[in-house]
Amino acid sequence: AQSVTQPDIHITVSEGASLELRCNYSYGATPYLFWYVQSPGQGLQLLLKYFSGDTLVQGIKGFEAEFKRSQSSFNLRKPSVHWSDAAEYFCAVAWGGSYIPTFGRGTSLIVHP
Amino acid sequence: ETGVTQTPRHLVMGMTNKKSLKCEQHLGHNAMYWYKQSAKKPLELMFVYSLEERVENNSVPSRFSPECPNSSHLFLHLHTLQPEDSALYLCASSQDINQPQHFGDGTRLSIL
Repeated sequence: AQSVTQPDIHITVSEGASLELRCNYSYGATPYLFWYVQSPGQGLQLLLKYFSGDTLVQGIKGFEAEFKRSQSSFNLRKPSVHWSDAAEYFCAVAWGGSYIPTFGRGTSLIVHP
Repeated sequence: ETGVTQTPRHLVMGMTNKKSLKCEQHLGHNAMYWYKQSAKKPLELMFVYSLEERVENNSVPSRFSPECPNSSHLFLHLHTLQPEDSALYLCASSQDINQPQHFGDGTRLSIL
């Protein structure tokens, strides 16, 4: 079965430090890739998406992600984390045009002052 | 501004009650979704509608009954729920099935 893995349940970083959240998916047809963020008490908000083209995509709030087909990965990065980035982050993958995206379990980001 | 509105935001009900959750979107999207989000569990896809037709039903108990009367509205009818059904219920919409989803802020459901 197709799956999405976010290996880190929690990540703790200091404010101002760089961040990388990992996302791996099982091999399949050309994937459509997404990262979402969920703040407490709110729904999920799309940070960025990859459908095709340049494998490094820019998103909102200073986030970027890189698609690496050879590693079946789509890791999310930010060069300098702000305290307001503390939230839950979800990776999602849709395998091909007719597939509903599958979500990973999420990674909780904790930011220390 | 989310573009997807869910009501009510909070709901407390007994196991024998009947209630409905409402979701509304005016983004012109063709697909709408219900998800269940429980603590320490992955996001669970419950139902998907595309062009007002149900296209996915992930083995959800019959005590949950969805309704999609038009492309802008989605309901989740609840009856005879169990304590393990307490969770955050999220509605989402997207232009098409494989496109980015826009989420509402959810309904926090508590079953007594």
